[in-house]
Amino acid sequence: GIQVEQSPPDLILQEGANSTLRCNFSDSVNNLQWFHQNPWGQLINLFYIPSGTKQNGRLSATTVATERYSLLYISSSQTTDSGVYFCAVPTGNQFYFGTGTSLTVIP
Amino acid sequence: KAGVTQTPRYLIKTRGQQVTLSCSPISGHRSVSWYQQTPGQGLQFLFEYFSETQRNKGNFPGRFSGRQFSNSRSEMNVSTLELGDSALYLCASSFSGGAGDTQYFGPGTRLTVL
Repeated sequence: GIQVEQSPPDLILQEGANSTLRCNFSDSVNNLQWFHQNPWGQLINLFYIPSGTKQNGRLSATTVATERYSLLYISSSQTTDSGVYFCAVPTGNQFYFGTGTSLTVIP
Repeated sequence: KAGVTQTPRYLIKTRGQQVTLSCSPISGHRSVSWYQQTPGQGLQFLFEYFSETQRNKGNFPGRFSGRQFSNSRSEMNVSTLELGDSALYLCASSFSGGAGDTQYFGPGTRLTVL
């Protein structure tokens, strides 16, 4: 199956700082999603972004499909941004998840 | 529109028992996928159902099974539970389950096997 790697595995930020999370994938894809898993385990959709750039408030994402990577930018981080961020790519009707980036934002 | 719902949210079982988890997709979605999340293995695909048919299955033993009903609700069953089955079980729904679809996840069922 497709290989999905995320970096960094862990990130600790001071509130207000900016960060960039990276997702590399091993094969061409026609879909990529970013999720935030909250402390209760729920996966929250952040972006559906097979290519290009999207922004939603303090978050934005860019996927360069030809180079097989995606970036998630978090600006002016808040404590509520803490949690694990996953990217996921599909092969057919199965999604492959990266190992996640665990983000801790300290006040 | 209501989101994906999963019941129960928490479950404690003992080794050797069996368990059934339920997932109700977003209205209009016909594809339901199941994932297992553990600290050691991350998020792993179990199986996907569309219109009551299993279309894809991950690399899990036969103790893990599922089904989908005509209203798209899905259940998964784990028989002869083992300690290693302790995990968060997540289901996701999408319109057609195609690679271009957006997947929406439920809150999960946290299973503890003692």
